[in-house]
Amino acid sequence: GESVGLHLPTLSVQEGDNSIINCAYSNSASDYFIWYKQESGKGPQFIIDIRSNMDKRQGQRVTVLLNKTVKHLSLQIAATQPGDSAVYFCAESSLGSGSARQLTFGSGTQLTVLP
Amino acid sequence: GAGVSQTPSNKVTEKGKYVELRCDPISGHTALYWYRQSLGQGPEFLIYFQGTGAADDSGLPNDRFFAVRPEGSVSTLKIQRTERGDSAVYLCASSSRQNTEAFFGQGTRLTVV
Repeated sequence: GESVGLHLPTLSVQEGDNSIINCAYSNSASDYFIWYKQESGKGPQFIIDIRSNMDKRQGQRVTVLLNKTVKHLSLQIAATQPGDSAVYFCAESSLGSGSARQLTFGSGTQLTVLP
Repeated sequence: GAGVSQTPSNKVTEKGKYVELRCDPISGHTALYWYRQSLGQGPEFLIYFQGTGAADDSGLPNDRFFAVRPEGSVSTLKIQRTERGDSAVYLCASSSRQNTEAFFGQGTRLTVV
């Protein structure tokens, strides 16, 4: 079946450096993508989303890039802070933009920010 | 409360028992979602409610799983004849409409022994 996966299970970065978390997806019908942050013992927290008619979207310290040609998604975090340490999931949907229905999540990347 | 509330936070039950997991969505949110997250994995979709009705239950793994939302607010996920493989964190999320940001609760950790 279709799946969303991440290239790296763990990522360690120095505080203040930029972080890049990658995600590959296989469903060519996917038209909406979200990045979530999940801290231990908590539910996923929305970070940023992007629709398939865009290739880049920026938020506060975060940027999501979408390359539909190679079915690749990335999350860039600028000036990484200790509070950014968490598991990051990408998720995709083919049911319409903005929908949390039937999101397909990747397995996650553990980001650790080193002091 | 300000966020999605799930109770209990932890539930340990014996194999074969029946369990109910509760979700209190953000007040006024009409859309409600249940997901299941196994250890080291991303969440997996179970069921979606729009108002009182289950608009999409295609993610429920089998007929031992059932969910209700009788008044369009609180939802209960019910699992009959629990199996050890049902052990996971069950997450609930809500959104003001179908196509807006969904907010997740902290989850209920279910352990079947």
